[in-house]
Amino acid sequence: AQTVTQSQPEMSVQEAETVTLSCTYDTSESDYYLFWYKQPPSRQMILVIRQEAYKQQNATENRFSVNFQKAAKSFSLKISDSQLGDAAMYFCAYRRLNDMRFGAGTRLTVKP
Amino acid sequence: DTGVSQDPRHKITKRGQNVTFRCDPISEHNRLYWYRQTLGQGPEFLTYFQNEAQLEKSRLLSDRFSAERPKGSFSTLEIQRTEQGDSAMYLCASSLSRGRIDTQYFGPGTRLTVL
Repeated sequence: AQTVTQSQPEMSVQEAETVTLSCTYDTSESDYYLFWYKQPPSRQMILVIRQEAYKQQNATENRFSVNFQKAAKSFSLKISDSQLGDAAMYFCAYRRLNDMRFGAGTRLTVKP
Repeated sequence: DTGVSQDPRHKITKRGQNVTFRCDPISEHNRLYWYRQTLGQGPEFLTYFQNEAQLEKSRLLSDRFSAERPKGSFSTLEIQRTEQGDSAMYLCASSLSRGRIDTQYFGPGTRLTVL
């Protein structure tokens, strides 16, 4: 079974600094998708970034980028120039066809 | 607001009662998903619809749970004879299926508390 592990329950970062959130997953498949979702307190979950496993190039969305290591089954999220609005729970997710599995999340605190 | 909406946002019920939640997807989205999220965990897949057809159900979805999506628009999730273990946030997501992958857009969730 595919599982997603986020080994950092909590992380904190100083405003304007860079932080990296870790995610590893387990799969025997070669074609799948990986996502990072952000869930602010009492607000709905929104997609931050996604990566297709067949693409070698790491995805980037403005201040958010990923380090996708397919062989190591690792998918970390880097947030550059952290802002107060980045404070949230961040969930890593693995998806193959219609099966999407989420990690337990990392709570990110941004210190002013 | 044209996002995914869910109603009610909060529900408190006594054990043994039935509850029903509603999800209104983004207009023209043909796929609709239900997830359950317990405290400190990520969402867990429950079921999904393509238009009005329920195509997949998780083993988490016991016989007490039923979901419908009449006419392929809004969806309801009913829990019969609620148990304290049903207390969780129930999330709905919708997407437009085209190409290799669809992006799921989540609603705000319905928080269920079973006393």
